[in-house]
Amino acid sequence: QSVLTQPPSASGTPGQRVTISCSGSSSNIGSNTVNWYQQLPGTAPKLLIYSDNQRPSGVPDRFSGSKSGTSASLAISGLQSEDEADYYCAAWDDSLNGPVFGGGTKLTVL
Amino acid sequence: ELQLVESGGGLIQPGGSLRLSCAASGFTVSSNYMSWVRQAPGKGLEWVSVIYRGGSTYYADSVKGRFTISRDNSKNTLYLQMNSLRAEDTAVYYCARSALLDVWGQGTTVTVSS
Repeated sequence: QSVLTQPPSASGTPGQRVTISCSGSSSNIGSNTVNWYQQLPGTAPKLLIYSDNQRPSGVPDRFSGSKSGTSASLAISGLQSEDEADYYCAAWDDSLNGPVFGGGTKLTVL
Repeated sequence: ELQLVESGGGLIQPGGSLRLSCAASGFTVSSNYMSWVRQAPGKGLEWVSVIYRGGSTYYADSVKGRFTISRDNSKNTLYLQMNSLRAEDTAVYYCARSALLDVWGQGTTVTVSS
């Protein structure tokens, strides 16, 4: 069982906006920033959003992140077929001295 | 280009040992937090261990006392020594850079089975 809680699946049609939630506690999301990772099938995870809402160079602005208290969200607007992937949230945990992950959300583009 | 390349995975019997390596290029391992993260078949990501810039090390409870993270600054390489391996350690092992986990290797597969 993962420390952070994400829905196991999400879906949308091309062009739609979808959101993925991530819930944690005071020792992780409540006191540290949240990062999001995209994992395409058969590949390593890729940093998608860092520090709650920042995009690394090269990540389209269709991807955005937000955080409130001990919860965070990833939003994907203008959904595209190539967005079909697994998405993971993560945050540093002060009690573990390391990062904790959500269980991952499998996004399907219908 | 920032790059991490893992090696050392393979098939090992329960109770055995294995050492994973993670060679870095384009940046200095010792100047960053460096982590190992694993992914069991069909499962999500699980943090395994981290080594801080100052050399402090931390482990997930599931591997504490069995795994050891280290680095060789002269080789710019991160290691994970895995002892007393169990079937539940079967996974793809990734190394990743910094507290953001902003650079990942391609992963190396460890299979623990008799």
